[in-house]
Amino acid sequence: GAVVSQHPSRVICKSGTSVKIECRSLDFQATTMFWYRQFPKQSLMLMATSNEGSKATYEQGVEKDKFLINHASLTLSTLTVTSAHPEDSSFYICSARAGTSGRYEQYFGPGTRLTVT
Amino acid sequence: TQLLEQSPQFLSIQEGENLTVYCNSSSVFSSLQWYRQEPGEGPVLLVTVVTGGEVKKLKRLTFQFGDARKDSSLHITAAQTGDTGLYLCAGPTSTTDSWGKLQFGAGTQVVVTP
Repeated sequence: GAVVSQHPSRVICKSGTSVKIECRSLDFQATTMFWYRQFPKQSLMLMATSNEGSKATYEQGVEKDKFLINHASLTLSTLTVTSAHPEDSSFYICSARAGTSGRYEQYFGPGTRLTVT
Repeated sequence: TQLLEQSPQFLSIQEGENLTVYCNSSSVFSSLQWYRQEPGEGPVLLVTVVTGGEVKKLKRLTFQFGDARKDSSLHITAAQTGDTGLYLCAGPTSTTDSWGKLQFGAGTQVVVTP
């Protein structure tokens, strides 16, 4: 089956610093990748959709200058949380899809736990 | 955005009992998916239902899509401790979205005790 990895799995950073999270599709080419965040005991909230080689599309209420997304290749997307604050502490999950149509299944990564102190 | 409401929010049962989780909406969905998520991990797809009235079985799990494609249910027979997890339903964010963006219900936390 298709495998999506995330790195790091956990990260602790100080307030005001930036942190980068990587999402990789290991055995398929992902034309589209999605980034979600999940707070404790809550569901996944879609943050943005990224397609290889083009700018990401952000959901309403998500600051694009704070959450920088780069989908530089068909197997790698990165999410950079800039000037992180404690309220950015969350579980960040990516998913990847082989095709651009909604008919293609999304495969989820294992998530990255970000803690901002 | 078409909202997905899940019930109950939390369910605690003993091993061997049956349980049902519901996912409801006032909108029609072209498809619905069910995922299970364990703590500290990403969600894992269990099933996709696409046809109104469809019933799919995955071992002890039975998934049903409502005739009107506005609701779905997940029934677990003879639950085991390994069934413990957060069960999420998900569907397309809108009928016009071409990227296949998903929206998730709030989830049902299922705890199966020995």
